[in-house]
Amino acid sequence: GQNIDQPTEMTATEGAIVQINCTYQTSGFNGLFWYQQHAGEAPTFLSYNVLDGLEEKGRFSSFLSRSKGYSYLLLKELQMKDSASYLCAALDSNYQLIWGAGTKLIIKP
Amino acid sequence: IAGITQAPTSQILAAGRRMTLRCTQDMRHNAMYWYRQDLGLGLRLIHYSNTAGTTGKGEVPDGYSVSRANTDDFPLTLASAVPSQTSVYFCASSEGTTDTQYFGPGTRLTVL
Repeated sequence: GQNIDQPTEMTATEGAIVQINCTYQTSGFNGLFWYQQHAGEAPTFLSYNVLDGLEEKGRFSSFLSRSKGYSYLLLKELQMKDSASYLCAALDSNYQLIWGAGTKLIIKP
Repeated sequence: IAGITQAPTSQILAAGRRMTLRCTQDMRHNAMYWYRQDLGLGLRLIHYSNTAGTTGKGEVPDGYSVSRANTDDFPLTLASAVPSQTSVYFCASSEGTTDTQYFGPGTRLTVL
């Protein structure tokens, strides 16, 4: 079966760095997406990786290892507005996104 | 430019009633999707359309139907609502099937 695993909840301090891990098992693989979702709102796109390595975009970076079925989202210089759920999703061989349940990130001052 | 709009924002529905959730995008995206999001679960794909005139079943299609008569609109119909269909429904679109999906604001549906 297809599966995406990510931690349910994480807590971090304002100004710090946090890494949210995601492991995936899918039938075929066509890329890994990260989305941010604030409570009561729609998911918004953060990053996309299809090749191994690190993609940096401002305070956010995303890493992919295809051989390990593993990705992480790195958030630097955390701000209170970063409190949200972070969704990991893998694009399978049918070009359908398989979603994790999301990681709720709590930022403390 | 609105992106993707959904209507209604929220709805309370009696079990057994028919309901259509509306979704419209103005980005001329080829692909559109309907997801449901339930607490503790990831987004689950209900139906999708890779291009106008075609539709396909996702992971949880039972009890739902869709149509794609044109590029912009992708309505989702619940023929006879049941309480297990209580959820938040998101419509999304992408330029192609491998491209980033952009989401509408969602419809919160409660079936009693």
